[in-house]
Amino acid sequence: DVKVTQSSRYLVKRTGEKVFLECVQDMDHENMFWYRQDPGLGLRLIYFSYDVKMKEKGDIPEGYSVSREKKERFSLILESASTNQTSMYLCASSPNSRGQGNEAFFGQGTRLTVV
Amino acid sequence: AQSVSQHNHHVILSEAASLELGCNYSYGGTVNLFWYVQYPGQHLQLLLKYFSGDPLVKGIKGFEAEFIKSKFSFNLRKPSVQWSDTAEYFCAVIARGYQKVTFGTGTKLQVIP
Repeated sequence: DVKVTQSSRYLVKRTGEKVFLECVQDMDHENMFWYRQDPGLGLRLIYFSYDVKMKEKGDIPEGYSVSREKKERFSLILESASTNQTSMYLCASSPNSRGQGNEAFFGQGTRLTVV
Repeated sequence: AQSVSQHNHHVILSEAASLELGCNYSYGGTVNLFWYVQYPGQHLQLLLKYFSGDPLVKGIKGFEAEFIKSKFSFNLRKPSVQWSDTAEYFCAVIARGYQKVTFGTGTKLQVIP
């Protein structure tokens, strides 16, 4: 069974703080993703990574950065948290099936509140 | 770039009613298509997927979806819903040759006993 684990279920941070959200997967997947989920907007891709140290911007990368130093771990960084980054953050992973595209497996999510 | 539209944002049905949720995608090439479900308080999980072959795909819990290439659609259906189907449903697409998954805005389904 694929397991994607996000380090926190709930976080409360102050405006201006640097915030780290951690995600670990145990299935040796090449691809990892960070989404934010907001009511009425669905899931919007922030960043994804298709290999160690490789990253690509998604649809809403502004105000975020990522780090992938090891295959199993993908971190999302909010450089200076703002109230409009209050959201549910979802991490996902998927295998790279040589262009076939494959299903993504999701973590439980981190509900971040910025006050 | 691919995009996905889900036109129904909130659907309310009585138990035993039939369900059809619309999903349309925008992309000129070959795609892989998915439906995910998120039950209250749980993580997103795969309901069904289409990669190739028979355009009618069967998934878990009695759900099915039909890929109609000419209409760029991948609608989700279930003949008779149950209260336990109350959840949010997301359609998603991957363009063949890429790894990025694009999701629709989701449809909240509420089934009334």
